[in-house]
Parts: sequence; structure tokens; C-alpha cells
Amino acid sequence: QSALTQPASVSGSPGQSITISCTGTSSDVGGYNYVSWYQQHPGKAPKLMIYEVSNRPSGVSNRFSGSKSGNTASLTISGLQAEDEADYYCSSYTSSSTPLVFGGGTKLTVL
Amino acid sequence: EVQLVESGGGLVKPGGSLRLSCAASGFTFSSYSMNWVRQAPGKGLEWVSSISSSSSYIYYADSVKGRFTISRDNAKNSLYLQMNSLRAEDTAVYYCARDRSSSDAFDIWGQGTMVTVSS
Repeated sequence: QSALTQPASVSGSPGQSITISCTGTSSDVGGYNYVSWYQQHPGKAPKLMIYEVSNRPSGVSNRFSGSKSGNTASLTISGLQAEDEADYYCSSYTSSSTPLVFGGGTKLTVL
Repeated sequence: EVQLVESGGGLVKPGGSLRLSCAASGFTFSSYSMNWVRQAPGKGLEWVSSISSSSSYIYYADSVKGRFTISRDNAKNSLYLQMNSLRAEDTAVYYCARDRSSSDAFDIWGQGTMVTVSS
């Protein structure tokens, strides 16, 4: 099962908004609403930011939002802050023999 | 405090075996599906295996199927990963992670334990 496709890097200035895409197929992202997003700072464990496409866990800033259109899910971060600089990963349930797949990750740089 | 703590990582030769453990605290362990996720040095996340709350459902990534075995002991609030026939490409930090609601969203992660497979 190939990883979901994410851009290798994105960047933005403080206060701006950025969007990270996560492209899969009808067997994963497009077929199920089980898309999650994780934030990972260097040397740290991942942190759940969005689950089931667009839901935020308690304690996650409302500057983070998720959506999906067809086979592509998106994570939008508004009002960029320095502490948002991190790697971001999407994941999705998949109907293949490996039931969960991650994206390759996107490095967000806050300029 | 809700917490997961992994242990058991280390250096092992190709073809060798290792057993990872994950101790859970601060929540009702027996109510949650649990997972192992790994991250090779400088690389992205890779899901490895999952086990349902009562061990009825177990799944593996194709890359470890037949070599790794996931298990849990709800009485001891512990998750395990038995890794056999280890290869260099299994070198990674291994995280245990809780599935928040069987929706494949992992809301609690351990700090990770490093496994290095090298001669």
C-alpha cells in the first residue's frame, strides 16, 4: 500500500493561513471519513490535531481545521504562529490488506 | 495522568528477536484498541499493527506480517510487540498509540523506544 501523497514542504509567514493536502484514492481517503492529521515536533511523539476529517480533539486550537473533497483531504492552519513549525502527517483507513496508511509528511516552515 | 510508556528497544543483529512493551496508565486500558507505529530515522510514520480492546481483531502491515506479533494483557494494562526475523529496515523508533474511538485516530502516544537492527 503506497503512502498517501503530501507536499514535502510548505511555508508561510506569521498570521497567514496555509493548507496541506493529502491525496489518496477511493480505497482510502475518498471512500471513508477516517482521515486524521498529526503534528510532530523534532524528537517528539506525534500529536493528534484532527480526526474523522474535520473534528478537533479537546485542547487543539481552532486555528486548525480539516476538510475533504473527493480523494483529497486538507489541513488548514490559520493565523500561523512560530510554534506551528513542525512536520504534519495525514492518515486514513484503507480497504487494502494494510488497514491504515500514513502520508509521507509535510514540513511546515514559519518564515 | 493519561500515559503510555514503551520499553524493550535496543540493538539486535539481523535475524534476531526483540519484545517491546507499552505500559498504560490513567485510563481504562481494556476499553481501547491499541496500535504500534514506527518511524525510521529521518523518515515518516508507518503504521505497524493494531489490536482491538478484547484482542478479537488483530491487523498487521504487509511489511511485518508473519514476523511480528501484537498482543495485550488487559489485567496488566500492557501492550506488547514480539518482533522476530528482524531486518535492517525494521530500524526505527517504535511508538505505541491509543485509538480514541476505533476510528483509526491515535490520541495518546508514548515517547517511543528505539530499535536498531545491525550487525
